[in-house]
Amino acid sequence: KAGVTQTPRYLIKTRGQQVTLSCSPISGHRSVSWYQQTPGQGLQFLFEYFSETQRNKGNFPGRFSGRQFSNSRSEMNVSTLELGDSALYLCASTGPKPTEAFFGQGTRLTVV
Amino acid sequence: KQEVTQIPAALSVPEGENLVLNCSFTDSAIYNLQWFRQDPGKGLTSLLLIQSSQREQTSGRLNASLDKSSGRSTLYIAASQPGDSATYLCAVLLSNAGNNRKLIWGLGTSLAVNP
Repeated sequence: KAGVTQTPRYLIKTRGQQVTLSCSPISGHRSVSWYQQTPGQGLQFLFEYFSETQRNKGNFPGRFSGRQFSNSRSEMNVSTLELGDSALYLCASTGPKPTEAFFGQGTRLTVV
Repeated sequence: KQEVTQIPAALSVPEGENLVLNCSFTDSAIYNLQWFRQDPGKGLTSLLLIQSSQREQTSGRLNASLDKSSGRSTLYIAASQPGDSATYLCAVLLSNAGNNRKLIWGLGTSLAVNP
């Protein structure tokens, strides 16, 4: 059974650009959550998608957005990148009970 | 507001020692608690999941306990090995529904097991 796949693994972007990250969940899992990890703040919840609908959202600006497709794959988009957006972005796949989260390897985004 | 704290922030031990990592949370109304391992620059590996109705879970040399009333969980690692070196993160799921369906994280304990 394949795990959670995130692409790309590494990205370097310049300020002002936009970026799209992709996450393919475990087969059969319909919930995908996104987290940002930085050394100072730790892991912060961005949003969760379930059956193509955003079900929950964290406290991030509107520059951060996402979507989910009918095959449960999810994309996260960050527009007008800032230096502070440099982080490891992690995607979690959650199936039915017991609501255990499984994570991908993450996408390391560096904004220069 | 739920806050998760992990102590110690860093730990260095010789190989073979038994050790305990601590996680505390401020609001006992949680749905479950999960322990993860993170290797440098990599994603998270789920180690143990404890439902709010459970007291402990075991997997190999790992044992995690949960005391909801005191807002504490411990991860016990027996006979530590150099391969256990990683950052260990604890996260609580507030609810399985609504706006609280999200993991709240501690900052982790960075563990180094020396040969």
